[in-house]
Amino acid sequence: GQSLEQPSEVTAVEGAIVQINCTYQTSGFYGLSWYQQHDGGAPTFLSYNALDGLEETGRFSSFLSRSDSYGYLLLQELQMKDSASYFCAVRTGGGNKLTFGTGTQLKVEL
Amino acid sequence: NAGVTQTPKFRVLKTGQSMTLLCAQDMNHEYMYWYRQDPGMGLRLIHYSVGEGTTAKGEVPDGYNVSRLKKQNFLLGLESAAPSQTSVYFCASSGFSSTDTQYFGPGTRLTVL
Repeated sequence: GQSLEQPSEVTAVEGAIVQINCTYQTSGFYGLSWYQQHDGGAPTFLSYNALDGLEETGRFSSFLSRSDSYGYLLLQELQMKDSASYFCAVRTGGGNKLTFGTGTQLKVEL
Repeated sequence: NAGVTQTPKFRVLKTGQSMTLLCAQDMNHEYMYWYRQDPGMGLRLIHYSVGEGTTAKGEVPDGYNVSRLKKQNFLLGLESAAPSQTSVYFCASSGFSSTDTQYFGPGTRLTVL
């Protein structure tokens, strides 16, 4: 089966940098995705890493180390609107299926 | 483009009642998925489909059935609802490339009394 671990809650101040870690155990691995979900909203895609290394998209970056079964999401220049839940998800097998972690609630404070 | 739409947005059922949730996508995606999300837990895959006329079980399929009669639609059925099925249900769709992302609908909040 699959299991993912990420912190349940992270708090940071506006303008700061925050890193959300994700470790996974899975049989069959194609890549690691990150999704953002605001309260009452739908998950929205942030980034995807299939290979080791860093992917950068604006203020957000995501890193993957396949040998360590580890990845992280880095959010820079935090804004109040970044307060949301962030989910890592592993892509395994056919059908582009995803197995999600339990999510990290990020609170951005003034 | 509307993307992924779900109906209804909210529903209250009594134990034992049945209902169908409808998901529609206008992105011509091959793959479609149904998830449930409970407090403190991530999204869990119920069933998915890799093409019209095909369905497969996900992580938590018991108590649910699905059908994909048309490429753009994916239906989730509850034949005899139970309080344990109280949850928020999300539908998603994806292209068939391994780098394609999943796009989610707005969700259906279901309460079973």
